[in-house]
Amino acid sequence: EVVLTQSPGTLSLSPGERATLSCRASQSVASNSLAWYQQKPGQAPRLLVYGASSRATGIPDRFSGSGSGRDFTLNINRLEPEDFAVYYCQKYGSSPLTFGGGTKVEIK
Amino acid sequence: EVQLVQSGAEVKKPGESLMISCKASGYTFAAYWIGWVRQMPGKGLEWMGIIYPSDSDTRYSPSFQGQVTISADKSTSTAYLHWSSLKASDTAMYYCARAAYVGVWSAFSSWGQGTLVTVSS
Repeated sequence: EVVLTQSPGTLSLSPGERATLSCRASQSVASNSLAWYQQKPGQAPRLLVYGASSRATGIPDRFSGSGSGRDFTLNINRLEPEDFAVYYCQKYGSSPLTFGGGTKVEIK
Repeated sequence: EVQLVQSGAEVKKPGESLMISCKASGYTFAAYWIGWVRQMPGKGLEWMGIIYPSDSDTRYSPSFQGQVTISADKSTSTAYLHWSSLKASDTAMYYCARAAYVGVWSAFSSWGQGTLVTVSS
């Protein structure tokens, strides 16, 4: 079973700064079947990126995903106040469709 | 517009059974995989399992195999998550979510609002 490890656990940044979130898989992720989600308190998760680097519908271009194989990154350029949230990666190419443990992006 | 509307919050006792639902609209229900995701209080997302309503092909996370049953009713466009005997450790928010693309496992592009299940004696 592939394990996804996200780092850091918490990222303390100020609005306008750039966030770099990491997701490392214990084995190679097939066909870059890797997604990123954002979750705010009291809300369901929202899909940001799929296929490692494709933005979902309606997602601002300050969000960008990259990576392949075992190492994936979500970058958020110029953090807006609404971007402070928890972010999860997920692999979906094969079962189980595991989530990473999450990275909390908090206001510094 | 794709919508997934989940059943309301539940408060149950240990040992009781429970089925929660996820009613889909705005798309061809049978054609997309639907999954269930658990979120325990203050914790992260856990993938529980997924079902393809067209033929009821179902896969479970090893962590949830034998603990829950996922089903779907094409006639009502509704997916279900069932427990035969709840434990206190089942207390969590449960989300249903639909895969983005027809017929294949893909990222979850649409989510239900969540169903809070509380199990307490």
